This record gives sequence, structure tokens and C-alpha cells, in this order.
Amino acid sequence: DAGITQSPRHKVTETGTPVTLRCHQTENHRYMYWYRQDPGHGLRLIHYSYGVKDTDKGEVSDGYSVSRSKTEDFLLTLESATSSQTSVYFCAISEVGGDTEAFFGQGTRLTVV
Amino acid sequence: GQQLNQSPQSMFIQEGEDVSMNCTSSSIFNTWLWYKQDPGEGPVLLIALYKAGELTSNGRLTAQFGITRKDSFLNISASIPSDVGIYFCAGQEPDKLIFGTGTRLQVFP
Repeated sequence: DAGITQSPRHKVTETGTPVTLRCHQTENHRYMYWYRQDPGHGLRLIHYSYGVKDTDKGEVSDGYSVSRSKTEDFLLTLESATSSQTSVYFCAISEVGGDTEAFFGQGTRLTVV
Repeated sequence: GQQLNQSPQSMFIQEGEDVSMNCTSSSIFNTWLWYKQDPGEGPVLLIALYKAGELTSNGRLTAQFGITRKDSFLNISASIPSDVGIYFCAGQEPDKLIFGTGTRLQVFP
């Protein structure tokens, strides 16, 4: 299994609070991605990174920010959580951008109440 | 934003039956992929397709890259209980993969 660890695995938070999800990889892959998974919508890309300090927006980036200060860590922050951000969040890594084999973490289930 | 539409949204089948699902896009992709997500896990790559018209097999799985490059099909033959999960298609863009809406498969003994 690819070395990807997401933390926390589960979190319940209140509306309006800040939340940070962490993705840690041990594969030294250049590309890292954050997706959210919702019924009927599949996997939608939030943000991605193509190197340290290099990030770009995906299709559902509003309300989210990311940071990548080290190759191995990619953080996703919800500055002020809303109920619409209740979802399962997946981190993925790939060696090459848009590489066919993206490796996924086990997901973080976030509930905003 | 770009999203791939998959159908059916869910399927309930009996063990031993064959399964077909498809994925369509409004734009062209040069590479199509199929992933499977087991319950409680992240998706894992099943099959990659690189050429329009290509037909590729992986055990009981067969996938085809549509001639128009706007669609792809996945077939599973002789389904077994461990085929349960969500199947996602994905199209490759520079720097990222765009995933479909998913097909949830349930297999009953």
C-alpha cells in the first residue's frame, strides 16, 4: 500500500469553527490532491499541489485553502466550517501530474453541526 | 466545472450475473481510467485505457475506450460478493484526474 496517512479519520465540528485536515505521504511523490466525496457527486477535486508551495484550485475550492510547506505534508483548511462542507475528504498522491495511478488515503469523515 | 456522468447510479444484482456500467463526458479525454472503492477505503485503480476504441481486460473486468473519446464502459463478468463497492471512471487532464459520479454495486448471494 502507498504510504498515505490522513488525520484525523473522523471529526465533528461546529459551524463557524476552523478545521484543518492533514495528509502525510512517505512516497516522496510530487503531486498531492484533496477530493471530497458526496452521494450523487462522486469525487470532486478541491485543491491540488504540484510541489512545495505550489498549489492550484480544483472545481470546488470555495471555502477551502491549502498549504504545502514540505513534500510530505498537504494541509486542507476550512476557515469557517459550514454544514455544506460535511463530507468525506480524500487525499491522493501521484508521481506525475494527472498520472493514471493516483494513490488514495483512507479518507476523513467530517461532520459540521 | 467538468464532471463525468456515470450510469446507472446504483445496481443490485445476484452473484454470478454480469454487470455493465458506463461513463460519459461533454469533452474529450485522451486517457480513461476505472477505479473501485471498497467500503471504508479509498479508490484503487482497476484499468487504464489510452487509445480510442481500445478494449482492455483485467481478469473478470473488461473496459472500453469509446471511439468519440467522450465515453467509456466497464463490464464485470460472473460477479462475486467481493465486487461490492463504488466504481468510478476518471478522465485524465494535465496535472489532475477528473472523476465521475460513481456507480454503487451491491451483489447478493
